[in-house]
Amino acid sequence: SQQGEEDPQALSIQEGENATMNCSYKTSINNLQWYRQNSGRGLVHLILIRSNEREKHSGRLRVTLDTSKKSSSLLITASRAADTASYFCAAGGTSYGKLTFGQGTILTVHP
Amino acid sequence: DGGITQSPKYLFRKEGQNVTLSCEQNLNHDAMYWYRQDPGQGLRLIYYSQIVNDFQKGDIAEGYSVSREKKESFPLTVTSAQKNPTAFYLCASMDRRAINEKLFFGSGTQLSVL
Repeated sequence: SQQGEEDPQALSIQEGENATMNCSYKTSINNLQWYRQNSGRGLVHLILIRSNEREKHSGRLRVTLDTSKKSSSLLITASRAADTASYFCAAGGTSYGKLTFGQGTILTVHP
Repeated sequence: DGGITQSPKYLFRKEGQNVTLSCEQNLNHDAMYWYRQDPGQGLRLIYYSQIVNDFQKGDIAEGYSVSREKKESFPLTVTSAQKNPTAFYLCASMDRRAINEKLFFGSGTQLSVL
């Protein structure tokens, strides 16, 4: 069953603006990951945050994790048209290697 | 180039027919996975294998079968028992020796019913 739920389902912004996507999950996790998917393609790993971490940065990406609220957010700063894609969170639970994916946020960045 | 190769990119199935989707990896990863993605939805786990000659059912295994005879290969058969097979199928692998649980994905196979 799907563990993660993401909101918004779709997000439309202008180039240069920041994009924030949220993910909620139901059970205990070891880590929370974010992936990107371009239309009709496979997913690409973006960033992983462990359950004992609160915030992590990678380039223009910032991920936060609040285990008390069972939620995570992905912030993309200074967005570009090339950031247009679907973004998925994936929860890594107690069974190593079995990730549970959210339903994704479709991000459209207008030039 | 190291990576995961899925073939074919597009596949059509006639009613009552079994079809097999190919997944090959040269990343030397022990673990391999099959996911199903429906339009506008997230990924659901069909089957996974953590080592050669062993595999486990995921959340939606009914109507599917797999084999893992070689480390590099993890083919998925969509059987006639799967009544709603139209979907995008993604294969992935993971290095179980790594600290993180990062998945590497192929580019997918779109299966449609004729």
